This record gives sequence, C-alpha cells and structure tokens, in this order.
Amino acid sequence: AQSVTQLDSQVPVFEEAPVELRCNYSSSVSVYLFWYVQYPNQGLQLLLKYLSGSTLVKGINGFEAEFNKSQTSFHLRKPSVHISDTAEYFCAVFYNDMRFGAGTRLTVKP
Amino acid sequence: GAVVSQHPSRVICKSGTSVKIECRSLDFQATTMFWYRQFPKKSLMLMATSNEGSKATYEQGVEKDKFLINHASLTLSTLTVTSAHPEDSSFYICSARSQREDIDTQYFGPGTRLTVL
Repeated sequence: AQSVTQLDSQVPVFEEAPVELRCNYSSSVSVYLFWYVQYPNQGLQLLLKYLSGSTLVKGINGFEAEFNKSQTSFHLRKPSVHISDTAEYFCAVFYNDMRFGAGTRLTVKP
Repeated sequence: GAVVSQHPSRVICKSGTSVKIECRSLDFQATTMFWYRQFPKKSLMLMATSNEGSKATYEQGVEKDKFLINHASLTLSTLTVTSAHPEDSSFYICSARSQREDIDTQYFGPGTRLTVL
C-alpha cells in the first residue's frame, strides 16, 4: 500500500524567507506525487504534480518540488514566501486512488 | 479550473439524526466522485469511491450502512450520515473526476463541517 508522511505539522516563517515543506512517501510501485494547498474555507487546489520525466517540477504561485527516488521524497520549496501563502499544504500519492499526508500548516509572518 | 461545490458548508445536528451532504460538479460531468473525512491535524482519509449509476466502493473500516453514498447523476453525489453520533463529527470533503481528464486529476469541494451534539 502507498502512504505519505509529512514531517512537519507546522512551519512558521517570515515573509520573503525561503521555505521547504517536507514529504516522504512509501510505495512498492511507481506512483504519481502531488502537492495541494487548502486555504481557509476552500477546497484543495493542485499546486503541482510529478508523473514522470524531469524530477524538478514547477507549480503555481512560485512553488516547486523535487522528486528524489532514492530518498523517496517529494519536498516542496519556495524561494520567497508571501503572507498570502499562509495555508495548509498536503502532499499526496496516487496509484489507484489518492492518499494524503497529514498536512503542514504554513504560517507566513510579516 | 473545474468547480465542485458542497452543501451545506456547516451543519450541527442532534445525536441520532441523519444528515445529508451534497457534492456537485458545477461545470463538468463527474463520472467518479470521492468522499474523504478529515480529522483535526490528520490527513484526509478516503471513505469511498462512487461511479455514476453504480454502488459506491467503501474503504476498509468504513461502515457502508452508516455512510450512505448515492451518485445518481453525473453532477451530484450525496453522503448521508445515518444515526449520527458525536464521534461522526468531522470535516467531510468530496472530490470529482471527469472521464475526459487524466485518472489522477481530481477537483475538490470546499468541505462540510459536521458537528453532532
């Protein structure tokens, strides 16, 4: 079975600082990997996804993630965050269905 | 992008009553819909997958008689929590997938907060 672990439940960071949200996955087969963002009172929005090919994936809002097969990781990064990036971020793995991590609350402080 | 709505956004009910949550795809036909449950500080847990016109497939440990899912049309799925108890209090999220898109593409609703007193 596939599973996802998000190593940090909360990440506070100051505005314009870089941020990395960590995600590790477990799977015995090739899977697709995703990052979603959830703003308050809204549904999950897709930030980016890795299906195959280049291991560095660029998404919306300046986010990117790197697939590392040897470390079974798919960490999300942004070089400079904004207040508006404050949200809950979910890493997910897809094989037959979507399995989510527990989420990381990113709080950007002025 | 495609839009999925849920109604109601919040519901409070008494223990023992039943609650229906609607999930609608507003601008596309959803051949498959998914229902998730989200516990505080925990991940979204897939409860069931429903395909239009057929019975839902429930994940292990999810009581199908308690969480009734109906996917009667290509734009509407409903989740009914029957004889609700306080432990059913949670955030319920649906998502929808169109047969025109890749199998990994899902659009999520904003969620429904259920509180059972």
